[in-house]
Amino acid sequence: DIQMTQSPSSLSASVGDRVTITCRASQSISSYLNWYQQKPGKAPKLLIYAASSLQSGVPSRFSGSGSGTDFTLTISSLQPEDFATYYCQQSYSTPPTTFGPGTKVDIK
Amino acid sequence: QVQLVQSGAEVKKPGSSVKVSCKASGGTFSSYAISWVRQAPGQGLEWMGGIIPIFGTANYAQKFQGRVTITADESTSTAYMELSSLRSEDTAVYYCAREVIVAAAGPTYLDYWGQGTLVTVSS
Repeated sequence: DIQMTQSPSSLSASVGDRVTITCRASQSISSYLNWYQQKPGKAPKLLIYAASSLQSGVPSRFSGSGSGTDFTLTISSLQPEDFATYYCQQSYSTPPTTFGPGTKVDIK
Repeated sequence: QVQLVQSGAEVKKPGSSVKVSCKASGGTFSSYAISWVRQAPGQGLEWMGGIIPIFGTANYAQKFQGRVTITADESTSTAYMELSSLRSEDTAVYYCAREVIVAAAGPTYLDYWGQGTLVTVSS
């Protein structure tokens, strides 16, 4: 199975900050990488698919980049509603699809 | 608007089974895959398996092989996940999610999720 890692595991940031989260795959996954946001007690929400495609309805401050093994999720200007946990997911080698361990973004 | 509505919370004894349902509305049920993902308390997301209703065959994560059965009923647009031989480590929130397949052997992603079903395994 492809292993996914994320860094950092958590971060503290202020409203308006630029935030970058990194996801790394244990082998090349082309651009088959998705990003999700999850708030406490809620289901995950798709933000970015295929590494850089913004899901409909997701604010443009979210962007994704990368290919191969290294990917980033960037929030250009952090908003109060963005404090959440973010997960990456690979869909290159399935089954199984695998998720990263998550990055928790909280208020500084 | 696509909606996935899951059945309610369950409390089960160790060794028993649980069956969670996921009813879809607002979309073409048979054309998409349905995946099941679980999340133990305070932990990350773990894919268990999935099914494409129009084909009826399911794929499972190796970890759950032999213990999980995923089925779908096209007539009611409902998918089911049954997990047997429950143990305390199976206490988790179980989610269904619609899987979009961009192209054959292409990227996929989970665009709509159910609200989650808490399964508690306790003696």
